[in-house]
Amino acid sequence: GQNIDQPTEMTATEGAIVQINCTYQTSGFNGLFWYQQHAGEAPTFLSYNVLDGLEEKGRFSSFLSRSKGYSYLLLKELQMKDSASYLCAVRSSYNFNKFYFGSGTKLNVKP
Amino acid sequence: GAGVSQTPSNKVTEKGKYVELRCDPISGHTALYWYRQSLGQGPEFLIYFQGTGAADDSGLPNDRFFAVRPEGSVSTLKIQRTERGDSAVYLCASSSPGSSGGAIEQFFGPGTRLTVL
Repeated sequence: GQNIDQPTEMTATEGAIVQINCTYQTSGFNGLFWYQQHAGEAPTFLSYNVLDGLEEKGRFSSFLSRSKGYSYLLLKELQMKDSASYLCAVRSSYNFNKFYFGSGTKLNVKP
Repeated sequence: GAGVSQTPSNKVTEKGKYVELRCDPISGHTALYWYRQSLGQGPEFLIYFQGTGAADDSGLPNDRFFAVRPEGSVSTLKIQRTERGDSAVYLCASSSPGSSGGAIEQFFGPGTRLTVL
């Protein structure tokens, strides 16, 4: 089975740094993905980790530890437009096109 | 270019009715996915197509749900005898295969909000 856990909601201040954690327990793992979803809109791809370590893309970075079943998304220099839900997803090793999403973390950025 | 489009954007139906939801993927994308998203939850995998064939339909909740992609492009998700519990946003996504064969970035459509009264 698949179990993906993320905090339900977080609040941070504009200009600050925030870390959104994701833990997973899956029967087969082949990559961890982060998506951003603004309210009422479609998810958009942010990042992808398949090996341990940190992947940096501008203000966003994502980290993976496969041995710990743990990932985080780091958002720097927060902007008001970063207020959204952040979805952690695991790709199955049995079917490279099957993805399991967590429930998402709603991030509120305050002025 | 054009992204993934879905029609209708909203669908209200009565319990027991039949509905069809349409997805137009990005041109050239061979992989197409259907997900269901309930309020406050992440997308739940329903079915994945590679070309015209359903490569994995293990997420379809029961035999009231069926999806087709006859020409390897547009897909239709069909729900028979709708129930109130089917109310959700139905998301479609498409992708091109990655170097290892698996998708990396999925491009999602805006979704169809289905309400079953």
